[in-house]
Amino acid sequence: QKEVEQDPGPLSVPEGAIVSLNCTYSNSAFQYFMWYRQYSRKGPELLMYTYSSGNKEDGRFTAQVDKSSKYISLFIRDSQPSDSATYLCAMISSSGNTPLVFGKGTRLSVIA
Amino acid sequence: EAGVTQFPSHSVIEKGQTVTLRCDPISGHDNLYWYRRVMGKEIKFLLHFVKESKQDESGMPNNRFLAERTGGTYSTLKVQPAELEDSGVYFCASRDRDFGNTIYFGEGSWLTVV
Repeated sequence: QKEVEQDPGPLSVPEGAIVSLNCTYSNSAFQYFMWYRQYSRKGPELLMYTYSSGNKEDGRFTAQVDKSSKYISLFIRDSQPSDSATYLCAMISSSGNTPLVFGKGTRLSVIA
Repeated sequence: EAGVTQFPSHSVIEKGQTVTLRCDPISGHDNLYWYRRVMGKEIKFLLHFVKESKQDESGMPNNRFLAERTGGTYSTLKVQPAELEDSGVYFCASRDRDFGNTIYFGEGSWLTVV
């Protein structure tokens, strides 16, 4: 079983739609949860960063972590064509010296 | 402030040749990481430097890969001799010493071995 599972998509939505992206994980030691956005031929760029369970909102983006279910989500409201990218979940244990573990990434296209 | 910089951005080499990838982290960042993504797979950890010391090299695939970080500044990742399965994108990332800060990624070095 992979440590982090993420549906690679692709996911195609119309402009203005609410997008839901998800990851599940198996390692209960993970405490920090990140969402990265990666445009084509670019490096991953940190979007959201959450510690332990709960929600975090930043503009049109909301990250949710449910540690009891080992499930994390990223919601994008009022999606825009500029949101078209690959979204990667990543997580790390509390020690800080263990490596980031990534999901495969979900490719999102927002159609105008 | 300059971000994480990687050279070269693209490289095509023949099987058996040597390639050296370079990473310049954000100035002052003690932590430097190398990650790799091969086609169809997730980004995977290769190794972690704290200053000039290797903190964790558990992700290095084999002894054809050699990473260095002399003086705790820039880092190089050498692949010698390159094999076809080494093709992929190699990402460097850096982080300040205090955990909780953002891990910043470079744009990657895209390696094709033919």
